[in-house]
Amino acid sequence: AQKVTQAQTEISVVEKEDVTLDCVYETRDTTYYLFWYKQPPSGELVFLIRRNSFDEQNEISGRYSWNFQKSTSSFNFTITASQVVDSAVYFCALWGPTGGGNKLTFGTGTQLKVEL
Amino acid sequence: GAVVSQHPSWVICKSGTSVKIECRSLDFQATTMFWYRQFPKQSLMLMATSNEGSKATYEQGVEKDKFLINHASLTLSTLTVTSAHPEDSSFYICSARVSWGSNQPQHFGDGTRLSIL
Repeated sequence: AQKVTQAQTEISVVEKEDVTLDCVYETRDTTYYLFWYKQPPSGELVFLIRRNSFDEQNEISGRYSWNFQKSTSSFNFTITASQVVDSAVYFCALWGPTGGGNKLTFGTGTQLKVEL
Repeated sequence: GAVVSQHPSWVICKSGTSVKIECRSLDFQATTMFWYRQFPKQSLMLMATSNEGSKATYEQGVEKDKFLINHASLTLSTLTVTSAHPEDSSFYICSARVSWGSNQPQHFGDGTRLSIL
């Protein structure tokens, strides 16, 4: 069975602070993919990143960075110098061939509130 | 690229009405589309997987006769909530994935907020 855990239900930070959103996953697959999505208050889900299980290089995209640690089954997401526009719910998700094939397994999401 | 359009954004209707929601992939072909339901402050719950030209695959506990799915083309899937009741009120969101890879990202529509009075 596949599982994604986002232990942080809600995080509040002040603008310009750095914030890390945690994601821990469980899977029996050796090949799998991890995703992060952003859901702003308007509701749509915005794809942020896809990472395959064989690529443990950290990735940086502007103020966003992702740390993939296979040894601890974690795929954490850091926002540097947070802004009010970063306020949203962030979902971590997992895809693996034995997880129903087509399905994404989502975590429960982390609500990020960035205040002035 | 990878734009998914969902229509309508909001629906308010009387109990007993059937409501149709459309999901279109605008710039890519999607053999597979997904329908999710999301309750306030909760994660996405997969309702069904929609496959072009074949019957949808429903998740356990989802009523097939209640939530009718049609995927008639590579760019369009529809979800019809039949004889909707207040308990069907929710946020429904679709996603689509490019045809050539099941491990590719799903791209989501903007969602439909359904309110049944």
